[in-house]
Amino acid sequence: DIQMTQSPSSLSASVGDRVTITCQASQDISNYLNWYQQKPGKAPKLLIYDASNLETGVPSRFSGSGSGTDFTFTISSLQPEDIATYYCQQYDNLPYSFGQGTKLEIK
Amino acid sequence: QVQLVESGGGVVQPGGSLRLSCAASGFTFSSYGMHWVRQAPGKGLEWVAFIRYDGSNKYYADSVKGRFTISRDNSKNTLYLQMNSLRAEDTAVYYCAKAGGYWGQGTLVTVSS
Repeated sequence: DIQMTQSPSSLSASVGDRVTITCQASQDISNYLNWYQQKPGKAPKLLIYDASNLETGVPSRFSGSGSGTDFTFTISSLQPEDIATYYCQQYDNLPYSFGQGTKLEIK
Repeated sequence: QVQLVESGGGVVQPGGSLRLSCAASGFTFSSYGMHWVRQAPGKGLEWVAFIRYDGSNKYYADSVKGRFTISRDNSKNTLYLQMNSLRAEDTAVYYCAKAGGYWGQGTLVTVSS
């Protein structure tokens, strides 16, 4: 099974800051990686698919990059509504494993 | 638009059984593989099971293998998760999900005596 290591587990940043989250796969997953945003009591929302493609309707301040085993998710200018937990997920091989999540808070 | 609506959650005693349903609409259900994903209270996301578009292949997380069964009825546009021998650690919100980032709102399963 592929293990996804996501870091940091929590992050405190100010409005307007650039925020970066990383995700490392235990083996090559090409670009088969999603990034999700989850707010309390809600289902996860897909933001980025295929490692770097922005889902329709998602603000352009969100971006993703990487391939193989190392991936990065970036919010270019943090907004108050971005407070949430973020997850990476690989879909190269079943089981489609998730990272542990990054809880993002406003400083 | 794509809609996934889970139902069937509730409180069940350890060792008991429960069947979850996921009603799909807004897309050709019979053309897509479907997943169940769960989230224990205050915890992260855990993939549970997958079924191919025609039901020909099924895959399970080790944590549920032998106890849970995923199935589908393409004539009813409905996905199922039969959960047997439930344990306290199965307590979670269960989501059905379709490729492309579509998730239902989830249904809560609580295993407690």
